[in-house]
Amino acid sequence: RKEVEQDPGPFNVPEGATVAFNCTYSNSASQSFFWYRQDCRKEPKLLMSVYSSGNEDGRFTAQLNRASQYISLLIRDSKLSDSATYLCVVRYSSASKIIFGSGTRLSIRP
Amino acid sequence: DAGVTQSPTHLIKTRGQQVTLRCSPKSGHDTVSWYQQALGQGPQFIFQYYEEEERQRGNFPDRFSGHQFPNYSSELNVNALLLGDSALYLCASSLGWGAVDEQYFGPGTRLTVT
Repeated sequence: RKEVEQDPGPFNVPEGATVAFNCTYSNSASQSFFWYRQDCRKEPKLLMSVYSSGNEDGRFTAQLNRASQYISLLIRDSKLSDSATYLCVVRYSSASKIIFGSGTRLSIRP
Repeated sequence: DAGVTQSPTHLIKTRGQQVTLRCSPKSGHDTVSWYQQALGQGPQFIFQYYEEEERQRGNFPDRFSGHQFPNYSSELNVNALLLGDSALYLCASSLGWGAVDEQYFGPGTRLTVT
C-alpha cells in the first residue's frame, strides 16, 4: 500500500461547480499535511496547509480526518484557471521527509 | 528577488552515462531538497542538504549523490544512468530544514535517458 494515495482522476467538471477530492495516508503518526497545485509542465506550488480544525482560503477548503486518515480539498465555484493537478503532501514529523501523493488531475470545462 | 533556478532545463543522456544537475536556491534560503518526478507521478524525495551536509535521504540508490556549496547552491549527480532515471528533477529551497510550508520549487530539469 502506498504511503499517500490519491484518486488520479481526471475530474472533469463544468465551470462554477463544486468539486472535492480526498487523499488517504497510511501512517497514523503523520503530523503535517499540505495541498500543492501543479500546472502542466510546471513546478508544484503550495496551495494551502491543512490544519486539524480545517481551514479555508477563499474558494478552497481543506479538512483533516485523523480517525479515518484522510485529508480533503473542496473547491467551490470552480474557475477555468483551477484546472491543474492537485498533490497531497504528508509529513510524519518536523524532522522527517515529506511524501507526495501521485496527484489528482482536475479539468474545468466552460 | 530571484526565485529557485535550475540548469539545464532539458538534458538527453545515454544509459551508463553520468549527469550533474544544478540548483540555486531562492535568495535568503539555506536548505535545498531534490525530488524526482516521473510522468504521471508525484515528486519523490531524493535528499536534502543543509549546511553543506546531507540531512535526510529518500529511497534512492547510491548512484544518486549530491553536494551543497558555501553559497547554498547545490548539485545532484546521477551515475550509471538507467532508462528509469528519465524524469523531471525538481529542486526546492527553504529557510531551515523543516520549513515545508515555505518550500519553493524551481522549474525543474527534464532528463531523458536513451
